Amino acid sequence: GAVVSQHPSWVICKSGTSVKIECRSLDFQATTMFWYRQFPKQSLMLMATSNEGSKATYEQGVEKDKFLINHASLTLSTLTVTSAHPEDSSFYICSARVTGGGTEAFFGQGTRLTVV
Amino acid sequence: AQSVSQHNHHVILSEAASLELGCNYSYGGTVNLFWYVQYPGQHLQLLLKYFSGDPLVKGIKGFEAEFIKSKFSFNLRKPSVQWSDTAEYFCAVGDDKIIFGKGTRLHILP
Repeated sequence: GAVVSQHPSWVICKSGTSVKIECRSLDFQATTMFWYRQFPKQSLMLMATSNEGSKATYEQGVEKDKFLINHASLTLSTLTVTSAHPEDSSFYICSARVTGGGTEAFFGQGTRLTVV
Repeated sequence: AQSVSQHNHHVILSEAASLELGCNYSYGGTVNLFWYVQYPGQHLQLLLKYFSGDPLVKGIKGFEAEFIKSKFSFNLRKPSVQWSDTAEYFCAVGDDKIIFGKGTRLHILP
Protein backbone atom coordinates (compact mmCIF):
# COMPACT_ATOMS: atom_id res chain seq x y z
CA GLY A 1 0.00 0.00 0.00
CA ALA A 2 0.90 3.65 -0.22
CA VAL A 3 3.35 4.87 2.40
CA VAL A 4 3.41 8.25 4.06
CA SER A 5 6.36 9.15 6.22
CA GLN A 6 6.62 11.94 8.76
CA HIS A 7 9.80 13.34 10.18
CA PRO A 8 10.63 13.72 12.95
CA SER A 9 8.58 11.21 14.95
CA TRP A 10 9.02 13.30 18.03
CA VAL A 11 10.57 16.63 18.83
CA ILE A 12 11.12 18.75 21.91
CA CYS A 13 11.66 22.45 21.49
CA LYS A 14 11.89 25.54 23.65
CA SER A 15 9.12 28.11 23.85
CA GLY A 16 9.51 30.79 21.25
CA THR A 17 11.35 28.67 18.73
CA SER A 18 9.99 27.24 15.50
CA VAL A 19 9.84 23.63 14.49
CA LYS A 20 9.32 22.08 11.07
CA ILE A 21 7.58 18.77 10.46
CA GLU A 22 7.89 17.01 7.12
CA CYS A 23 5.36 14.78 5.46
CA ARG A 24 6.45 12.70 2.49
CA SER A 25 4.58 10.35 0.21
CA LEU A 26 7.20 7.70 -0.48
CA ASP A 27 5.81 5.72 -3.37
CA PHE A 28 3.12 7.90 -4.88
CA GLN A 29 2.39 11.47 -5.87
CA ALA A 30 0.04 13.46 -3.69
CA THR A 31 -1.55 16.62 -5.02
CA THR A 32 -3.41 16.99 -1.74
CA MET A 33 -2.14 16.50 1.78
CA PHE A 34 -3.90 17.11 5.06
CA TRP A 35 -2.60 18.12 8.45
CA TYR A 36 -4.36 16.99 11.62
CA ARG A 37 -3.79 17.59 15.28
CA GLN A 38 -4.69 14.98 17.87
CA PHE A 39 -5.07 15.90 21.52
CA PRO A 40 -4.68 13.17 24.15
CA LYS A 41 -7.63 10.79 24.13
CA GLN A 42 -9.38 12.85 21.50
CA SER A 43 -10.03 12.63 17.81
CA LEU A 44 -8.06 14.02 14.93
CA MET A 45 -8.86 17.62 14.28
CA LEU A 46 -8.31 18.76 10.70
CA MET A 47 -6.08 21.84 10.67
CA ALA A 48 -5.57 22.48 6.99
CA THR A 49 -5.64 21.11 3.49
CA SER A 50 -2.49 21.55 1.49
CA ASN A 51 -2.46 21.53 -2.30
CA GLU A 52 0.73 21.32 -4.28
CA GLY A 53 1.76 24.65 -5.70
CA SER A 54 -0.93 26.70 -4.00
CA LYS A 55 -1.76 28.17 -0.63
CA ALA A 56 -3.12 25.89 2.05
CA THR A 57 -6.74 26.09 3.11
CA TYR A 58 -7.04 26.40 6.88
CA GLU A 59 -9.95 25.25 8.98
CA GLN A 60 -11.81 27.75 11.11
CA GLY A 61 -9.94 28.64 14.26
CA VAL A 62 -6.51 27.56 13.01
CA GLU A 63 -3.99 30.38 12.89
CA LYS A 64 -2.37 30.41 9.47
CA ASP A 65 0.50 32.60 10.63
CA LYS A 66 1.32 30.21 13.42
CA PHE A 67 1.03 26.98 11.47
CA LEU A 68 2.80 27.58 8.17
CA ILE A 69 2.20 24.97 5.53
CA ASN A 70 4.21 24.55 2.37
CA HIS A 71 3.49 21.97 -0.30
CA ALA A 72 6.27 22.59 -2.76
CA SER A 73 6.29 19.24 -4.52
CA LEU A 74 3.99 16.31 -5.19
CA THR A 75 5.72 14.25 -2.52
CA LEU A 76 6.44 16.72 0.26
CA SER A 77 4.43 18.99 2.52
CA THR A 78 5.83 20.74 5.57
CA LEU A 79 4.17 22.15 8.65
CA THR A 80 6.12 24.77 10.59
CA VAL A 81 4.93 25.65 14.05
CA THR A 82 6.23 29.17 14.58
CA SER A 83 7.00 30.72 17.95
CA ALA A 84 5.89 27.56 19.66
CA HIS A 85 4.25 27.63 23.09
CA PRO A 86 3.53 24.80 25.51
CA GLU A 87 -0.13 24.76 24.41
CA ASP A 88 1.07 23.79 20.94
CA SER A 89 2.31 20.50 22.37
CA SER A 90 0.34 17.82 20.62
CA PHE A 91 0.44 14.95 18.17
CA TYR A 92 0.47 16.15 14.57
CA ILE A 93 -0.52 13.75 11.81
CA CYS A 94 -0.42 14.23 8.08
CA SER A 95 -2.22 12.31 5.40
CA ALA A 96 -1.88 12.25 1.66
CA ARG A 97 -4.24 11.44 -1.14
CA VAL A 98 -3.00 9.71 -4.26
CA THR A 99 -3.24 12.04 -7.23
CA GLY A 100 -6.21 10.83 -9.26
CA GLY A 101 -6.78 8.02 -6.78
CA GLY A 102 -10.11 9.03 -5.28
CA THR A 103 -10.92 10.01 -1.73
CA GLU A 104 -8.88 7.51 0.26
CA ALA A 105 -6.04 9.06 2.21
CA PHE A 106 -2.99 7.43 3.73
CA PHE A 107 -1.62 8.51 7.06
CA GLY A 108 1.82 9.19 8.40
CA GLN A 109 2.92 7.83 11.76
CA GLY A 110 2.55 11.21 13.43
CA THR A 111 4.90 13.63 15.14
CA ARG A 112 4.75 14.23 18.86
CA LEU A 113 5.69 17.83 19.60
CA THR A 114 6.55 18.88 23.13
CA VAL A 115 7.22 22.53 23.80
CA VAL A 116 9.01 23.27 27.05
CA ALA B 1 -22.05 21.47 9.34
CA GLN B 2 -20.19 18.23 8.87
CA SER B 3 -19.93 16.01 11.90
CA VAL B 4 -19.32 12.44 12.90
CA SER B 5 -20.61 10.97 16.13
CA GLN B 6 -19.33 7.76 17.67
CA HIS B 7 -21.55 6.55 20.45
CA ASN B 8 -19.16 4.44 22.44
CA HIS B 9 -16.02 5.99 23.86
CA HIS B 10 -14.67 2.89 25.51
CA VAL B 11 -15.75 -0.70 24.92
CA ILE B 12 -14.48 -3.74 26.80
CA LEU B 13 -15.25 -7.21 25.46
CA SER B 14 -14.05 -10.74 25.99
CA GLU B 15 -12.49 -12.68 23.15
CA ALA B 16 -15.02 -14.29 20.79
CA ALA B 17 -17.70 -11.74 21.68
CA SER B 18 -19.47 -9.94 18.87
CA LEU B 19 -18.72 -6.28 18.26
CA GLU B 20 -20.76 -3.39 16.97
CA LEU B 21 -19.49 0.17 17.12
CA GLY B 22 -21.95 2.90 16.28
CA CYS B 23 -21.28 5.81 13.94
CA ASN B 24 -23.67 8.50 12.78
CA TYR B 25 -22.79 11.33 10.46
CA SER B 26 -24.05 14.63 9.22
CA TYR B 27 -22.66 15.63 5.86
CA GLY B 28 -23.99 17.79 3.06
CA GLY B 29 -22.01 16.48 0.13
CA THR B 30 -21.33 13.15 -1.51
CA VAL B 31 -20.98 10.67 1.30
CA ASN B 32 -17.77 8.71 1.47
CA LEU B 33 -17.47 6.80 4.72
CA PHE B 34 -14.48 5.20 6.39
CA TRP B 35 -13.46 3.25 9.42
CA TYR B 36 -9.84 3.58 10.50
CA VAL B 37 -8.02 1.67 13.21
CA GLN B 38 -5.03 2.78 15.25
CA TYR B 39 -3.21 -0.01 17.04
CA PRO B 40 -1.09 1.04 20.02
CA GLY B 41 1.97 2.92 18.80
CA GLN B 42 1.10 2.55 15.13
CA HIS B 43 -0.22 4.60 12.20
CA LEU B 44 -3.86 4.99 11.38
CA GLN B 45 -4.84 2.20 9.01
CA LEU B 46 -7.89 1.93 6.80
CA LEU B 47 -10.22 -0.89 7.83
CA LEU B 48 -12.86 -0.36 5.19
CA LYS B 49 -14.56 2.30 3.12
CA TYR B 50 -17.86 2.97 1.42
CA PHE B 51 -18.12 5.12 -1.67
CA SER B 52 -21.17 3.71 -3.46
CA GLY B 53 -22.87 0.43 -4.36
CA ASP B 54 -23.50 -2.39 -1.93
CA PRO B 55 -24.16 -0.78 1.47
CA LEU B 56 -22.64 -3.76 3.26
CA VAL B 57 -18.91 -3.31 3.05
CA LYS B 58 -16.35 -5.90 4.00
CA GLY B 59 -12.94 -4.83 5.20
CA ILE B 60 -9.75 -6.32 6.48
CA LYS B 61 -9.41 -8.64 9.49
CA GLY B 62 -13.03 -9.80 9.38
CA PHE B 63 -14.59 -6.37 9.91
CA GLU B 64 -17.63 -5.16 8.04
CA ALA B 65 -19.82 -2.08 8.12
CA GLU B 66 -23.29 -1.28 6.88
CA PHE B 67 -24.28 2.06 5.41
CA ILE B 68 -27.90 2.87 6.25
CA LYS B 69 -28.74 6.06 4.46
CA SER B 70 -32.09 6.61 6.21
CA LYS B 71 -30.40 6.48 9.59
CA PHE B 72 -27.24 8.35 8.57
CA SER B 73 -25.33 5.48 10.09
CA PHE B 74 -22.26 3.44 9.26
CA ASN B 75 -21.82 0.96 12.10
CA LEU B 76 -18.78 -1.29 12.31
CA ARG B 77 -19.23 -4.98 13.14
CA LYS B 78 -17.19 -8.08 13.75
CA PRO B 79 -18.82 -11.40 14.69
CA SER B 80 -16.01 -12.65 16.92
CA VAL B 81 -13.29 -10.38 18.25
CA GLN B 82 -9.73 -11.34 19.10
CA TRP B 83 -7.30 -9.97 21.65
CA SER B 84 -5.33 -8.45 18.76
CA ASP B 85 -8.31 -6.22 17.92
CA THR B 86 -7.49 -4.07 20.93
CA ALA B 87 -7.07 -0.63 19.39
CA GLU B 88 -8.77 2.69 18.82
CA TYR B 89 -11.34 2.86 16.05
CA PHE B 90 -12.30 6.01 14.18
CA CYS B 91 -15.26 6.56 11.94
CA ALA B 92 -14.72 9.23 9.29
CA VAL B 93 -16.70 10.91 6.55
CA GLY B 94 -15.64 13.13 3.75
CA ASP B 95 -15.20 13.97 0.15
CA ASP B 96 -12.72 16.80 -0.26
CA LYS B 97 -11.52 16.49 3.29
CA ILE B 98 -12.02 13.78 5.86
CA ILE B 99 -13.63 14.53 9.20
CA PHE B 100 -13.13 12.09 12.08
CA GLY B 101 -15.28 11.02 14.97
CA LYS B 102 -13.86 11.10 18.48
CA GLY B 103 -12.88 7.46 18.37
CA THR B 104 -13.78 4.36 20.34
CA ARG B 105 -11.18 2.67 22.45
CA LEU B 106 -11.72 -1.09 22.24
CA HIS B 107 -10.18 -3.34 24.83
CA ILE B 108 -10.39 -7.10 24.36
CA LEU B 109 -9.88 -9.29 27.40
CA PRO B 110 -8.00 -12.52 26.73
